[in-house]
Amino acid sequence: SQTIHQWPATLVQPVGSPLSLECTVEGTSNPNLYWYRQAAGRGLQLLFYSVGIGQISSEVPQNLSASRPQDRQFILSSKKLLLSDSGFYLCAWSPTLVGYGYTFGSGTRLTVV
Amino acid sequence: EDKVVQSPLSLVVHEGDTVTLNCSYEVTNFRSLLWYKQEKKAPTFLFMLTSSGIEKKSGRLSSILDKKELFSILNITATQTGDSAIYLCAVNSGGSNYKLTFGKGTLLTVNP
Repeated sequence: SQTIHQWPATLVQPVGSPLSLECTVEGTSNPNLYWYRQAAGRGLQLLFYSVGIGQISSEVPQNLSASRPQDRQFILSSKKLLLSDSGFYLCAWSPTLVGYGYTFGSGTRLTVV
Repeated sequence: EDKVVQSPLSLVVHEGDTVTLNCSYEVTNFRSLLWYKQEKKAPTFLFMLTSSGIEKKSGRLSSILDKKELFSILNITATQTGDSAIYLCAVNSGGSNYKLTFGKGTLLTVNP
């Protein structure tokens, strides 16, 4: 069966510090991978998605970047965090060919101080 | 731009009440509509709807889609305190990326 792992669960970082959040998927090949952010308003905003190694699409301009160095690994990064980067970050995967629905990771709560 | 609107944004009920949550959408190339329940961490999948008029049911929860009027409802009967959560509606639009567009969610609080 497929599982998705996301870490860390919580993170407190000072403004201007770098960020690296990691997400890995097991039990499947060539998944679509996604990074979402959920801010205080509760809606989930799609930040990045990837349909293959090295293929990253950005949905909104921002202070963050994403990379997919391996088929089942998705990384969210920032060189210098801003206060506005605080939020709940969720990684998700979906099957490439079916395309119906996602499975989410357990999320990372990031607080930038 | 794809849009998903949920109502109400929050709702407080007593145990045993029945609630109806609403989700309307405007997207290009509709594929499916999904409902998720989010408690403290990651959203968990409830239903996926692709066809109009066919009710999906799981215990006390049920959902139906109207593709003509572009909306869906999620019903919860005989609510329990464990139903307290944010309920998220999302629409899967077509293309090769299989994106989900989420609504802001409905915060349901069930009081004993």
